[in-house]
Amino acid sequence: GAGVSQSPSNKVTEKGKDVELRCDPISGHTALYWYRQSLGQGLEFLIYFQGNSAPDKSGLPSDRFSAERTGGSVSTLTIQRTQQEDSAVYLCASSQDRSSYNEQFFGPGTRLTVL
Amino acid sequence: AQSVTQLGSHVSVSEGALVLLRCNYSSSVPPYLFWYVQYPNQGLQLLLKYTSAATLVKGINGFEAEFKKSETSFHLTKPSAHMSDAAEYFCAVSPSHAGGTSYGKLTFGQGTILTVHP
Repeated sequence: GAGVSQSPSNKVTEKGKDVELRCDPISGHTALYWYRQSLGQGLEFLIYFQGNSAPDKSGLPSDRFSAERTGGSVSTLTIQRTQQEDSAVYLCASSQDRSSYNEQFFGPGTRLTVL
Repeated sequence: AQSVTQLGSHVSVSEGALVLLRCNYSSSVPPYLFWYVQYPNQGLQLLLKYTSAATLVKGINGFEAEFKKSETSFHLTKPSAHMSDAAEYFCAVSPSHAGGTSYGKLTFGQGTILTVHP
């Protein structure tokens, strides 16, 4: 079946603009995770969803970052007033449910470049 | 809080040689442990995981890892490297006990880039 997909694959934006990154999880997966991969910080957790709710938003770097998930499926990560330090690869993953036992399946990522 | 340390940001081996990528974890209780591989411009793919069953875990592509509680380690090995093994490898930890906001969340090490030369 289809894996996790993300769009766009690449996004170049100017400082101060807003961007939206999309994640389509594997069908039937109730848990969805966002991570960020950057040269300075490595791979870091941003936020996760169980269904449509996000119990833990502690990983979001600032209040410019927000995320939502609708219909227990597609998720959107929004970055407002982008800064150069937001440049990174944003990875989405999904799993059957929010259990550490279950494998997280990762998408190919969205590479964000803020000029 | 849980953490993972990968010793060596770059490892270089000859084709056919042993691959050893080191991972040590810090956790108040034994966690679940994972190794992921990332090929250039691709997402992460699970190689293997330890979830408190057998301490020696076999994964895909001939890789295996051994959980050693006394050493808080989960090193990744492969007896004979192939050119196709060249990639970045990430060790990750996740809480083994349900409950709490960290359950299900992966904490990654900094990654080790494996180079395989002929």
